[in-house]
Amino acid sequence: EAGVVQSPRYKIIEKKQPVAFWCNPISGHNTLYWYRQNLGQGPELLIRYENEEAVDDSQLPKDRFSAERLKGVDSTLKIQPAELGDSAVYLCASSSRTSGARSYEQYFGPGTRLTVT
Amino acid sequence: DAKTTQPTSMDCAEGRAANLPCNHSTISGNEYVYWYRQIHSQGPQYIIHGLKNNETNEMASLIITEDRKSSTLILPHATLRDTAVYYCIVRYSGGGADGLTFGKGTHLIIQP
Repeated sequence: EAGVVQSPRYKIIEKKQPVAFWCNPISGHNTLYWYRQNLGQGPELLIRYENEEAVDDSQLPKDRFSAERLKGVDSTLKIQPAELGDSAVYLCASSSRTSGARSYEQYFGPGTRLTVT
Repeated sequence: DAKTTQPTSMDCAEGRAANLPCNHSTISGNEYVYWYRQIHSQGPQYIIHGLKNNETNEMASLIITEDRKSSTLILPHATLRDTAVYYCIVRYSGGGADGLTFGKGTHLIIQP
């Protein structure tokens, strides 16, 4: 079974430029998460989707961040314009009621490392 | 969710048991203890979880004290591939698909 796929793995941009990250969750997983992980810290939830609906976006900085999950499968996270403080690893995860042997176990992708210069 | 406290880093010799402690003194009766780990340049990976009984799976064992205020993750025969950051997370049992709240975790280094 393929895991969570993210692209690109690395991205370097100048501040004020836009950037987008893409995530393909595990087939059949209706819940999708985006996390941000700063250096030396644990991941922090940005947004959670149930199918195509964003059910928890309370930690998403809405002035510059946006996300979508069209058709309830793939998802895109966008930053426009990027700031120096946005440099971090952006992780995507997915789960379902019956994922793995543990209900709602979250499976993470490898992340996209963003560097803003 | 209750707050957890973990040591910043630990060393363990290869082949020995690695015991990772976690303090969660404010845990409530309906909160589970979860452990995830994150190997360098990878996303976090689920290890094990429990409520009040000790749990064991193919990866590790979880020992929860009787008062549930602390727990220990045990990797019985640590290998170099177990070098990672280990996160102890307390999570409401009814949280279902809620996001996880990670702390800084413990950086476990397995020495050859």
